[in-house]
Amino acid sequence: GQQLNQSPQSMFIQEGEDVSMNCTSSSIFNTWLWYKQEPGEGPVLLIALYKAGELTSNGRLTAQFGITRKDSFLNISASIPSDVGIYFCAGQPLIQGAQKLVFGQGTRLTINP
Amino acid sequence: DADVTQTPRNRITKTGKRIMLECSQTKGHDRMYWYRQDPGLGLRLIYYSFDVKDINKGEISDGYSVSRQAQAKFSLSLESAIPNQTALYFCATSDLLDGYTFGSGTRLTVV
Repeated sequence: GQQLNQSPQSMFIQEGEDVSMNCTSSSIFNTWLWYKQEPGEGPVLLIALYKAGELTSNGRLTAQFGITRKDSFLNISASIPSDVGIYFCAGQPLIQGAQKLVFGQGTRLTINP
Repeated sequence: DADVTQTPRNRITKTGKRIMLECSQTKGHDRMYWYRQDPGLGLRLIYYSFDVKDINKGEISDGYSVSRQAQAKFSLSLESAIPNQTALYFCATSDLLDGYTFGSGTRLTVV
């Protein structure tokens, strides 16, 4: 099946640092989504991207939909302790039925105070 | 009350036992999904249903079955549980306006 390659798998940073993670695919996607998962909970949507080249912000988070439609990145600026969690990218393939998502493997973010 | 409720939250079962995980939603969404999460593998789709009469296999459906009892209820069954089905299971719903909403997950351990 289709796969998304998400990197890095884990990050250990100091509070206040900026964070960057990305996802790539060999297939084209028409929607890119970024989720955050905290312990004991399901993923929660952070940012949704619907157009190639789109750059969208949500507070300290910024995400972009790659021009080729095969990649996306998420940046977190000035990290704080509550940013800790697992971040997932997800894409809606261009060909398959509407709203079936493919997920990346996740990036586990750990922040040292 | 949560929009998407999964029961149980945790379950330990023995190899060979039949087990059912339940999911109910108050979102009014037609589309419901079951995902499995394993460390380092992200979420993988087991089954999905776009309405009460529609059931479709996802990428890892072997060893699982589902039942869409009503628009609001979608259950996942393991007919004969095996240890490599130990994982975190998520139910989700979606529609075009709201996107995806996930439940809080069921942690299943097969011993």
